[in-house]
Amino acid sequence: KAGVTQTPRYLIKTRGQQVTLSCSPISGHRSVSWYQQTPGQGLQFLFEYFSETQRNKGNFPGRFSGRQFSNSRSEMNVSTLELGDSALYLCASSPDLVPHEQYFGPGTRLTVT
Amino acid sequence: AQTVTQSQPEMSVQEAETVTLSCTYDTSESDYYLFWYKQPPSRQMILVIRQEAYKQQNATENRFSVNFQKAAKSFSLKISDSQLGDAAMYFCACASQGGSEKLVFGKGTKLTVNP
Repeated sequence: KAGVTQTPRYLIKTRGQQVTLSCSPISGHRSVSWYQQTPGQGLQFLFEYFSETQRNKGNFPGRFSGRQFSNSRSEMNVSTLELGDSALYLCASSPDLVPHEQYFGPGTRLTVT
Repeated sequence: AQTVTQSQPEMSVQEAETVTLSCTYDTSESDYYLFWYKQPPSRQMILVIRQEAYKQQNATENRFSVNFQKAAKSFSLKISDSQLGDAAMYFCACASQGGSEKLVFGKGTKLTVNP
């Protein structure tokens, strides 16, 4: 099976712009979670989607949003980018029958200038 | 709310020797899972080992084993016969029993393996 894929791998944006990141989970996985990784704050949970519904949400401002499609692919959007949004954004998917066995993608490295 | 603390920002070990990475956690829940994840430089995060809190037996995966002390809320990772490929950031994480896949991570420990 193919692993979790994320596109794009690298992205440079300007402050004030918006960005959309994409994640394709492992085939058959319906749960997709997103994390932000920065040197200062470490790994922080953004949100989780399961069967197109947001199941949990982290403590991030409303500029961060996400969605999941019927094929389980997920996107996250960040509007009005700030310098502090520069980070590695990781996506992870989980199989239904093995809770908390998360498979991570390679991440999207977002740089905001 | 759950918190995970890794008190060792960096550790080093000689190849073929044993190293133990520390992790403490706090949770108000009775059922939860604990994990160690490995993130090699510029490579994907992978699950090393997981422990269900209700299981008293410590989890083992080949050269990796944990020392789970539930009362002390401690969850350390022991790597035996260390190999150069073990060099990575290691993250301890905690998750609730059900309803969400959310992981709460520690800040990580950077492990260097010296030849």
